[in-house]
Amino acid sequence: TQLLEQSPQFLSIQEGENLTVYCNSSSVFSSLQWYRQEPGEGPVLLVTVVTGGEVKKLKRLTFQFGDARKDSSLHITAAQPGDTGLYLCAGASGGSNYKLTFGKGTLLTVNP
Amino acid sequence: GAGVSQSPRYKVAKRGQDVALRCDPISGHVSLFWYQQALGQGPEFLTYFQNEAQLDKSGLPSDRFFAERPEGSVSTLKIQRTQQEDSAVYLCASRLDRGAFNEQFFGPGTRLTVL
Repeated sequence: TQLLEQSPQFLSIQEGENLTVYCNSSSVFSSLQWYRQEPGEGPVLLVTVVTGGEVKKLKRLTFQFGDARKDSSLHITAAQPGDTGLYLCAGASGGSNYKLTFGKGTLLTVNP
Repeated sequence: GAGVSQSPRYKVAKRGQDVALRCDPISGHVSLFWYQQALGQGPEFLTYFQNEAQLDKSGLPSDRFFAERPEGSVSTLKIQRTQQEDSAVYLCASRLDRGAFNEQFFGPGTRLTVL
């Protein structure tokens, strides 16, 4: 069974602070995705990382895929209240990468 | 709307009742997925359709869970003889299926509460 562990589970910070969320697995995934989910809504894809060592930037968010393609991190610079939400990582496997295995998520609260 | 829609948004059932949850995927999307998200957890894969064919149902927790997509569009997840442990948000997602890593678009989910 492939498992993804996320840490921390909860994170409460002040506006303007930086933070890093981690996603670790003992398994290799063909790609890894990060989602953000807000209450009462489904997850929304932020980024997909495919190549070991890959780094992708999305405005104030920086995503990194580990060299061995087993772990990933999400770094947010100068967090804003609008960043509040549940951040989920998901590993893709199976033919056409259809099967997503999600971590439990990191619940981020950014206080104004 | 252009997104994935699910109905009902909320469902309360008494233990032992049967429920049916509906998913309307984005028009033209080939693949459809169902996930179960318990409180405080990430979504867990239940089943996957490509058009009308159910290619993977390995995540369905028991034989009380049944999913169908008879015409390759709308899908229904049915739970028979509901139990309290079935209480969760049930998410549906659809995917266009162009390219190896194309995105799954999620609906808002149906929150099922079994009393």
